[in-house]
Amino acid sequence: DAGVIQSPRHEVTEMGQEVTLRCKPISGHNSLFWYRQTMMRGLELLIYFNNNVPIDDSGMPEDRFSAKMPNASFSTLKIQPSEPRDSAVYFCASTPTSGVRVGTEAFFGQGTRLTVV
Amino acid sequence: DQQVKQNSPSLSVQEGRISILNCDYTNSMFDYFLWYKKYPAEGPTFLISISSIKDKNEDGRFTVFLNKSAKHLSLHIVPSQPGDSAVYFCAATSTKTGNEFYFGTGTSLTVIP
Repeated sequence: DAGVIQSPRHEVTEMGQEVTLRCKPISGHNSLFWYRQTMMRGLELLIYFNNNVPIDDSGMPEDRFSAKMPNASFSTLKIQPSEPRDSAVYFCASTPTSGVRVGTEAFFGQGTRLTVV
Repeated sequence: DQQVKQNSPSLSVQEGRISILNCDYTNSMFDYFLWYKKYPAEGPTFLISISSIKDKNEDGRFTVFLNKSAKHLSLHIVPSQPGDSAVYFCAATSTKTGNEFYFGTGTSLTVIP
């Protein structure tokens, strides 16, 4: 398996523009997570899907952020409009189980480095 | 509020010595803990985990210790190697009530040859 695939790897955009980050989870995995890595908060959970359904989006910073999972093999994280403080590395991760159990681990993609200027 | 904390942003250790990375958590419902390793420009990868029914789990050079009463866990790397230089994230979850992993801010380990 190719693992969790994210695109693009790098994105530079101007403030106010719409940004869409993409994720393909590992085939057969039931849960998908979007994380944002910052120095202050480490890996911060933004939203979690279980079987394509958003379960917890309390980590989404504000209404400018939205995420979708139209099917089991694809998810997007959209920021509209983007702001310089959104600059960070965004990771997508998936797990084979619905909910976490002993022995469950999250498999991460390589991340998208977003720079908003 | 940060439920998982790693208070040391960085650590430098001589090759061959022991590296000790620390992690504290606040949620008493957490019962499963993981350590992830992250190299630059890569995603975090799973390293080792421990369930709350244990106080120690060992895998080669890596050992994780859990002190439930103190809500503290640590990762020991013995002996440390230059290839261990990376950012290490501690993560925690509740297998009874939760669906998500909570991560700390990470500790950047540098192993000096």
